[in-house]
Amino acid sequence: SYVLTQSPSVSVAPGQTATITCVGNNIGSKGVHWYQQKPGQAPVLVVYDDSDRPSGIPERFSGSNSGNTATLTISRVEAGDEADYYCQVWDNTSDHVLFGGGTKLNVL
Amino acid sequence: QVQLVESGGVLVKPGGSLRLDCEASGFNFSGYYMAWIRQAPGKGLEWLSYIGRRGSPIYYADSVKGRFTVSRDNAKNSLYLEMNSLRAEDTALYYCAREDGEDYFDYWGQGTLVTVSS
Repeated sequence: SYVLTQSPSVSVAPGQTATITCVGNNIGSKGVHWYQQKPGQAPVLVVYDDSDRPSGIPERFSGSNSGNTATLTISRVEAGDEADYYCQVWDNTSDHVLFGGGTKLNVL
Repeated sequence: QVQLVESGGVLVKPGGSLRLDCEASGFNFSGYYMAWIRQAPGKGLEWLSYIGRRGSPIYYADSVKGRFTVSRDNAKNSLYLEMNSLRAEDTALYYCAREDGEDYFDYWGQGTLVTVSS
């Protein structure tokens, strides 16, 4: 079955750039979506279809997807960006939605 | 504004049954696929089920197929999850979410907590 792998945590200083990856076999052929989840809150969509942003999401959030790796990039990281981030795809082989295990972004 | 409000989460014994409800407002409910997604305490997100605009197609995760049943009532703007043969590992916060048409979830409820314990 298809698996999405994320690093458990990423740490970055305020003002720097955070890079969160999601690895899957030929993930570049799929549409990848990213969610931000802060403690005690429901997930929020921050990037869809690899690189599009919903309205209200800052331009600091961007995404890319190629080969076996999809990437969420957060520029000029702020303390308020500290959260768990999940990637998600639709696997049309199994007709299942799949989430990565999540990456905790720590803002130092 | 779009709102999704889940209800029905309680403490239930192993082997028991439960129905979760999700009431939608602020959008044309019948025009969207809907989904159930859960999150066990301290764990990641787990997709459970999808239901199409008119009740089909329906898809289930392997972990709940045969035990959980998703349904909807477009006249009542409501989504349901019937849960049977509950296990301790079903303990989680259960979210309903709207699928935007391109396999991602643009709105989520705040979740309802299901605890399975004797």
